[in-house]
Amino acid sequence: DGGITQSPKYLFRKEGQNVTLSCEQNLNHDAMYWYRQDPGQGLRLIYYSQIVNDFQKGDIAEGYSVSREKKESFPLTVTSAQKNPTAFYLCASSIGQAITGELFFGEGSRLTVL
Amino acid sequence: GIQVEQSPPDLILQEGANSTLRCNFSDSVNNLQWFHQNPWGQLINLFYIPSGTKQNGRLSATTVATERYSLLYISSSQTTDSGVYFCAVERLSGGYNKLIFGAGTRLAVHP
Repeated sequence: DGGITQSPKYLFRKEGQNVTLSCEQNLNHDAMYWYRQDPGQGLRLIYYSQIVNDFQKGDIAEGYSVSREKKESFPLTVTSAQKNPTAFYLCASSIGQAITGELFFGEGSRLTVL
Repeated sequence: GIQVEQSPPDLILQEGANSTLRCNFSDSVNNLQWFHQNPWGQLINLFYIPSGTKQNGRLSATTVATERYSLLYISSSQTTDSGVYFCAVERLSGGYNKLIFGAGTRLAVHP
């Protein structure tokens, strides 16, 4: 089945540690995105990538890093520089580069910093 | 930047009732999407609707781009409709089409 797979679903981290969230898609989509959602809030864009080996900062990129070495994969690293990393992280993809197109989401990863 | 406002913020319904959710946006947009987030956090794309009306089962959506709003209709609501409904508008920003999400409407459908 085509879709977006995020892992892990739940992750606990001690302060000062970096963690990497995985996102893989088999939809053959060019564009991929990372969003952050805090309780009771909407989604905010962290990073996006429209093509392999290229990515851009979204609205809240500080304290995060990404890579796009393969079309299928767009991992997100939450670094120790991120002041308040506890949140729900959602990865998404869409067909287009110039036009976003329909957005498809993974099931999300819940990160808790202890 | 563009503002996306959804109303009502919270809605409680009895099973079988109908409802209308609204999304207002402050500037012209290239496109608009409606999503449903279930209680487990999964986001599902409901409609990709820059203008006009679309229907999918008990759900339908209408976007009037010239008046900068979109409506999501839920008929004969079921408990499985519970969750948060987001609209997101697409707008060119910094060289790419950016999606801006509203804060959502939280719907609870009781049996």
